[in-house]
Amino acid sequence: AQTVTQSQPEMSVQEAETVTLSCTYDTSESNYYLFWYKQPPSRQMILVIRQEAYKQQNATENRFSVNFQKAAKSFSLKISDSQLGDTAMYFCAFTGANSKLTFGKGITLSVRP
Amino acid sequence: GAVVSQHPSRVICKSGTSVKIECRSLDFQATTMFWYRQFPKQSLMLMATSNEGSKATYEQGVEKDKFLINHASLTLSTLTVTSAHPEDSSFYICSAREVAGSPYEQYFGPGTRLTVT
Repeated sequence: AQTVTQSQPEMSVQEAETVTLSCTYDTSESNYYLFWYKQPPSRQMILVIRQEAYKQQNATENRFSVNFQKAAKSFSLKISDSQLGDTAMYFCAFTGANSKLTFGKGITLSVRP
Repeated sequence: GAVVSQHPSRVICKSGTSVKIECRSLDFQATTMFWYRQFPKQSLMLMATSNEGSKATYEQGVEKDKFLINHASLTLSTLTVTSAHPEDSSFYICSAREVAGSPYEQYFGPGTRLTVT
């Protein structure tokens, strides 16, 4: 079975600064996807970024980028130029052959003005 | 594109009654829909997977007789909480996977807050 671990429950960052959210996972599968989802106070789940395991290049979406270390089973999210609207809960998630999403416990990110 | 709606967004019901939550894919056909439960400040817990025209597959520990799931069409799945009790109060989220899309992509609905009094 897959597991996703987010060990930091909360983080805080000053507006305009950079923050990195950590995530590790465990799986015996070779073909899988990893995701970061954002859940703002509205509680709508928003896909931030996805990474396909077979791609070595780290995914990037505007201010969001990942550091995918497949051998170490690590998948961290870097948010550059943090904005007040980035305040939310962030979930790391894994999906493999069964197409089910396994979520980490989440981290609450607060961006300070 | 790829919009999923849920209805109602909030519902309050009395203990012992049943409540139905609808999940619709508005602009795509969904072979598979997923139902999650989320408690405040916690992660999403997968309850069940439903495929159009077949019985839902429930995760371990989820009571299938309490949480009835129907996926009658490629755009609609329903979750019925039967004989609801206060401990069933939670935030319920559905997601859908597109027929012609990636098997790894899920689109989430906005969620339904259920309060059982």
